[in-house]
Amino acid sequence: GGIITQTPKFLIGQEGQKLTLKCQQNFNHDTMYWYRQDSGKGLRLIYYSITENDLQKGDLSEGYDASREKKSSFSLTVTSAQKNEMAVFLCASSIRGAHEQYFGPGTRLTVL
Amino acid sequence: SQLAEENLWALSVHEGESVTVNCSYKTSITALQWYRQKSGEGPAQLILIRSNEREKRNGRLRATLDTSSQSSSLSITATRCEDTAVYFCATDAEGGRALIFGTGTTVSVSP
Repeated sequence: GGIITQTPKFLIGQEGQKLTLKCQQNFNHDTMYWYRQDSGKGLRLIYYSITENDLQKGDLSEGYDASREKKSSFSLTVTSAQKNEMAVFLCASSIRGAHEQYFGPGTRLTVL
Repeated sequence: SQLAEENLWALSVHEGESVTVNCSYKTSITALQWYRQKSGEGPAQLILIRSNEREKRNGRLRATLDTSSQSSSLSITATRCEDTAVYFCATDAEGGRALIFGTGTTVSVSP
């Protein structure tokens, strides 16, 4: 088995601030994902990465940057936090080409 | 527009009863997955059903897939309080590299 760790669990920032969320997985999976989950809505894809140093934009990539410097880690940066951005950010990983994704517990972002 | 969506916002049942969550989708798919998300956790896969399958079972869970109507259902029998969660269906996005999740159905199981 494996585990996905997301840090921090709770992140509070000021409007306009640059904020970074981190994700680590020990499944040795090739592909990693960042999703945003707003209250009462489904998960929306921000970025994904097929392998180390690869980045692919999802539907919600505007206002975010991502970095995959190691196979085991995938970070997401909110370039300028906005109040309507308060949500839970979920990281996931999968074997390349496989359907099942394994999710971390999420980082809850609050923007003051 | 949503490429996958569950049909009801929330369902409430008592322990021991059965509950069914429905999902409709708008694109051709290779597979459909059902995920469960408990409070404070990330989603976890329950069942994967491929486009050439009509039914899949996993313990108390039964998923069906109707590709002609582009719909799926997830049934849970003999529900327990710990089945309380949000249930999502998820389909492959174009290119098959990411998932499209529905908005989720909250299932509450009370004693």
